[in-house]
Amino acid sequence: GAVVSQHPSWVICKSGTSVKIECRSLDFQATTMFWYRQFPKQSLMLMATSNEGSKATYEQGVEKDKFLINHASLTLSTLTVTSAHPEDSSFYICSARDNRAAGISYEQYFGPGTRLTVT
Amino acid sequence: SQQGEEDPQALSIQEGENATMNCSYKTSINNLQWYRQNSGRGLVHLILIRSNEREKHSGRLRVTLDTSKKSSSLLITASRAADTASYFCATALNQAGTALIFGKGTTLSVSS
Repeated sequence: GAVVSQHPSWVICKSGTSVKIECRSLDFQATTMFWYRQFPKQSLMLMATSNEGSKATYEQGVEKDKFLINHASLTLSTLTVTSAHPEDSSFYICSARDNRAAGISYEQYFGPGTRLTVT
Repeated sequence: SQQGEEDPQALSIQEGENATMNCSYKTSINNLQWYRQNSGRGLVHLILIRSNEREKHSGRLRVTLDTSKKSSSLLITASRAADTASYFCATALNQAGTALIFGKGTTLSVSS
């Protein structure tokens, strides 16, 4: 089955530092990946759509200069939280669409998530 | 943005009872999916129902979809303590390649 990994699974960083989260499709290629954020006891909110070889599309209210997305290959998208603050503490989840079903598939495969704590 | 609203927000039942969760959405969809999430963990895909389907079963799960009312329900029969989790509906719009949009979720607690 299609597997998506995230690294790290959890990270603690100090205020003002930057943190990079990786999302990898392990056994398929993904031109499109998505990044979600989930605050405690809340639902997943879509942050951005990451497209290989082009700029990410951000949802309204998400600062693109704060949440840098780089989709440099067909199996890797990264989310960098720059100058992190305690309010950025959250659970970040990525998902990926399998290119083999592009255009006809609506299935997405989710990573296990990364818990970020900013102190 | 969030597409769906679930109710109830929280549900507490005893083992063996059935649990019903509802989800409403706002726009036309291609399909609707249900996910489970244990506390602090990732998502587990439960079931997908397409817009031209009205009901689907998978084990102890039964999902219905009413596109005229823009609503769906998830029924878990004979619940177990291990079913304790948060349940989310997620909608896929009619454009392939767009992200899933999640509802607010229902927190289910099953006590033994």
